[in-house]
Amino acid sequence: DQQVKQNSPSLSVQEGRISILNCDYTNSMFDYFLWYKKYPAEGPTFLISISSIKDKNEDGRFTVFLNKSAKHLSLHIVPSQPGDSAVYFCAASEDNFNKFYFGSGTKLNVKP
Amino acid sequence: EAGVAQSPRYKIIEKRQSVAFWCNPISGHATLYWYQQILGQGPKLLIQFQNNGVVDDSQLPKDRFSAERLKGVDSTLKIQPAKLEDSAVYLCASSLVLGATLTNIQYFGAGTRLSVL
Repeated sequence: DQQVKQNSPSLSVQEGRISILNCDYTNSMFDYFLWYKKYPAEGPTFLISISSIKDKNEDGRFTVFLNKSAKHLSLHIVPSQPGDSAVYFCAASEDNFNKFYFGSGTKLNVKP
Repeated sequence: EAGVAQSPRYKIIEKRQSVAFWCNPISGHATLYWYQQILGQGPKLLIQFQNNGVVDDSQLPKDRFSAERLKGVDSTLKIQPAKLEDSAVYLCASSLVLGATLTNIQYFGAGTRLSVL
């Protein structure tokens, strides 16, 4: 019962261009969404979040968009940098405390 | 501030053997999570503690997996006996208890990579 899906296992982008990572979910009760970034041999680190009362949240080069009617969120990275090359996971929860469900991740490669 | 500490980093065992993983969360974090991440998949929550009480263990295979958080600080996760399908990275994370308006940011350790042969 995969409630959070990242359908693109990998994405390759040129440095300086925009990276768009997508995430879909099935549970309409999800209200909190987070993006994590993971480098090899390290644990995931928090990147940015959004709650269902918003449809957009920005933090520097990173912007997350939420479309509740479509049960879809996306992470935009502008401009992309080689250091952004990592695996990105989206996660969702109903109540910001109990059980976060993670997607399977998208591996981003930013080419110099 | 020290991060989430996990040990060992790697473990190789034969099937039917037992294994234990240890986690020390960030100081002051009341909530502790154990996740299993199988290759190519996202982390799956095994168990969530609030202080030393269990909040959610619905996806913990209780016939072989056990976890404890005595004294509400560090935690151990045990597998006994291990199966081939338990090969995965076991991640520990911790977070503060928080109000409804703050994001529940989980801080992850580097994980323990388990190989069951």
